[in-house]
Amino acid sequence: DTGVSQNPRHKITKRGQNVTFRCDPISEHNRLYWYRQTLGQGPEFLTYFQNEAQLEKSRLLSDRFSAERPKGSFSTLEIQRTEQGDSAMYLCASRARAGAPSGANVLTFGAGSRLTVL
Amino acid sequence: GENVEQHPSTLSVQEGDSAVIKCTYSDSASNYFPWYKQELGKGPQLIIDIRSNVGEKKDQRIAVTLNKTAKHFSLHITETQPEDSAVYFCAAPYSSASKIIFGSGTRLSIRP
Repeated sequence: DTGVSQNPRHKITKRGQNVTFRCDPISEHNRLYWYRQTLGQGPEFLTYFQNEAQLEKSRLLSDRFSAERPKGSFSTLEIQRTEQGDSAMYLCASRARAGAPSGANVLTFGAGSRLTVL
Repeated sequence: GENVEQHPSTLSVQEGDSAVIKCTYSDSASNYFPWYKQELGKGPQLIIDIRSNVGEKKDQRIAVTLNKTAKHFSLHITETQPEDSAVYFCAAPYSSASKIIFGSGTRLSIRP
């Protein structure tokens, strides 16, 4: 397993366009997280999946944001009608199932997808 | 509310000296406190963590201490080296441990 993979690594788009990011987690991890990180700030929680179920979603998350994990494996994060304020690094992390022999608490992050909205 | 406060935001220490970063959490039910290191162009990576049933944990030059009463936990790096230069984040779980909230980060610089 090569860890958490995110694509694309960089995306430049014009305001008003839709963008989609993909995250491929560690295969045996059933929990998946999306975070947003702006310059000089910590990762901001966006949403959380356990298998295919979206169990937590930030109250700060606009209706323009939607995430899916249809088969409990990879996940997508879509941003509709992008705004300049959406420019940020979007981080995905996966986590082993509760009670796993080791590392059940550890978030393993991907390298992120950097979004620039012009 | 769901909040993890971290300070300082920047820290510069002489190589070989110690560095301390402090965090405060608000949810008394939080029971797990990780520290992550983020290098340029990469995602955060876990460096050490502590559960609420212990007060201190060490791993070579890195240690974490926890004061549950005060809801404080700290990262200690001794004998700092140039490769310790990075941004460090504390975190704590909320909402039945499924939501992990991060602090705002500390940029640590090691002066030669």
